[in-house]
Amino acid sequence: AQRVTQPEKLLSVFKGAPVELKCNYSYSGSPELFWYVQYSRQRLQLLLRHISRESIKGFTADLNKGETSFHLKKPFAQEEDSAMYYCALSGQGETSGSRLTFGEGTQLTVNP
Amino acid sequence: GAVVSQHPSRVICKSGTSVKIECRSLDFQATTMFWYRQFPKKSLMLMATSNEGSKATYEQGVEKDKFLINHASLTLSTLTVTSAHPEDSSFYICSARVGGGPTGELFFGEGSRLTVL
Repeated sequence: AQRVTQPEKLLSVFKGAPVELKCNYSYSGSPELFWYVQYSRQRLQLLLRHISRESIKGFTADLNKGETSFHLKKPFAQEEDSAMYYCALSGQGETSGSRLTFGEGTQLTVNP
Repeated sequence: GAVVSQHPSRVICKSGTSVKIECRSLDFQATTMFWYRQFPKKSLMLMATSNEGSKATYEQGVEKDKFLINHASLTLSTLTVTSAHPEDSSFYICSARVGGGPTGELFFGEGSRLTVL
């Protein structure tokens, strides 16, 4: 079974401070991990995926298979980063690879 | 990026009636679309996978006779909530994958908020 856990429902930081949104997963095979973001009154959109190993809007996330984690990090938070962030997992195979399991989300607020 | 559009964005209906929600891929073809349900302050729960030209695949615990899915063309999937009840009130979101295979990027619709009185 696939499971994604985001332990923090709410996270509040000040502008310029580092931010880390935690994500842990449970999956027996090799998963593909994603971070999705939903800004206020906008639709859900992909922020980054672990296989791309890229930095988007200053955010990075490293897949740690030993700790089964995929935490999202940014060294200096900006007010425009305030949004709902969802960690998601996709399993292997044609069928399971198309299915995303989402965490419950973390609402990030960056205060001025 | 690709655009997925849902209609209507909001719908209010009486208990016992049926409601249809459309999901369209506007600038790409999608052989597979996904329907999610989101409760307030909760995660997105996958309800079913809509397959063009064949039956939808429902997740465990989702009543297929309650939530009818039709994927009649490569750009349109519909979700019909039959004999709706207040507990069906929720935010329904669809998504579609660009590229057809299992690894293309998923694009999400803006969601449809259903309120059953």
